[in-house]
Parts: sequence; structure tokens; C-alpha cells
Amino acid sequence: GEDVEQSLFLSVREGDSSVINCTYTDSSSTYLYWYKQEPGAGLQLLTYIFSNMDMKQDQRLTVLLNKKDKHLSLRIADTQTGDSAIYFCAESTPRDSGNTPLVFGKGTRLSVIA
Amino acid sequence: DSGVTQTPKHLITATGQRVTLRCSPRSGDLSVYWYQQSLDQGLQFLIHYYNGEERAKGNILERFSAQQFPDLHSELNLSSLELGDSALYFCASSESRFRSYGEQYFGPGTRLTVT
Repeated sequence: GEDVEQSLFLSVREGDSSVINCTYTDSSSTYLYWYKQEPGAGLQLLTYIFSNMDMKQDQRLTVLLNKKDKHLSLRIADTQTGDSAIYFCAESTPRDSGNTPLVFGKGTRLSVIA
Repeated sequence: DSGVTQTPKHLITATGQRVTLRCSPRSGDLSVYWYQQSLDQGLQFLIHYYNGEERAKGNILERFSAQQFPDLHSELNLSSLELGDSALYFCASSESRFRSYGEQYFGPGTRLTVT
């Protein structure tokens, strides 16, 4: 079945860039997502990318997709203490039945040091 | 605020009991998904409803069931609760039509503690 892998921890200094990486196995994945979860909160959709794109930029966030290597990354520029959270990579695949539940990685805990 | 609401926020109950978790999707969204988040299993998909009909099942136990009502809100019923059912339960909604390509927006979750 589908699998999504992420490193568990990342620590960066305030003002630096953070890069969170993700690999996935399902070659038919069409949509790839990044979600943010702050302590005690739900999942906030940050951004998403379609598999026909290589890059997507949204303010401080840059998503890069290497479809050949099935590698997705999220770069956060000028990382702030408010960016400290768990970041989840997720993928979805279209099916004839029309059902594409999200498959999540285990999440990367980003700690930002002031 | 995602526009998805879930009640209750917290639930503490004993083993063997039954509980119902409620979710209201974003206005206009026809799809509701339920996920379970636990420390050991991570985020796992449970079940998906589209416009009142079950569309997909994931790792949902037989003791668990769900439904989506005509007003599109959904309920997740958990019965014969065990300690291992303690987790965060999220619902998410999507503006998908028949093929759910769309991004999913999550509610704040219900934290279930089984004692």
C-alpha cells in the first residue's frame, strides 16, 4: 500500500530557513499536501501541489516536488518561533470509486530556537 | 478556523462504554472523512462519506460505525470501548464531487480518553 516517510525531528534557529523532507511510494499520487499541527490543535492545511508541478511558492513557503525520486520538500523561509509545530506530509491518489483518503507521514516536529 | 466543527472537544469515558462524536462539515462540502490520531499509529484514515453514502473504509474497527445525515453532518459511533481507543479523532471535509480530488479541511478534533 501507499507509504509516506518523514524524518521525525528538525531544529533550526530563528531567521534561518527550514527544509522538511518527505518521500512517498505511490507513483500514482496526484496530490501532495503539507499540514501543520500546533500543540493541542487540529491540522491546518498549509499548501498542496499537483503532480504535474515541480514547484509551488506561497509567501514564505516553497514546495518542491521531484516526481522521479518521489520526494517532496517544504521550505519555510525566515523561520519564526510561531512556526514551531508538527508538519505532516500527505498524499492522495484518485481512484475509480472516487475515494481518495489522505495517507499521512508520521510528522516532522520542527523546533525553532530563538 | 477551517469551518469544520466537532463536538465534544474532550470526552472521558470508561471501558465498555459507547460514545458518539459529531462533525459538521464546511458549508457546501459533501464529503466527510474521519481520522484517528494516536501516538503509536499516527494519523489513520477510518471512513469516508459522500453525500450520505459510505465511499471508503480504512482501518476502522467493527466496533466503530459512522453515518452522514441529510444535512451532511456526520457522527462516528465507538462502542465497547477499550483503553487502546484513546486517541484524537478528527473529521475533515472536502468540496469534492464524485471524485474527491480536493484538499481536506480538518476540524479541531475530539480527544477521547478511555479509563
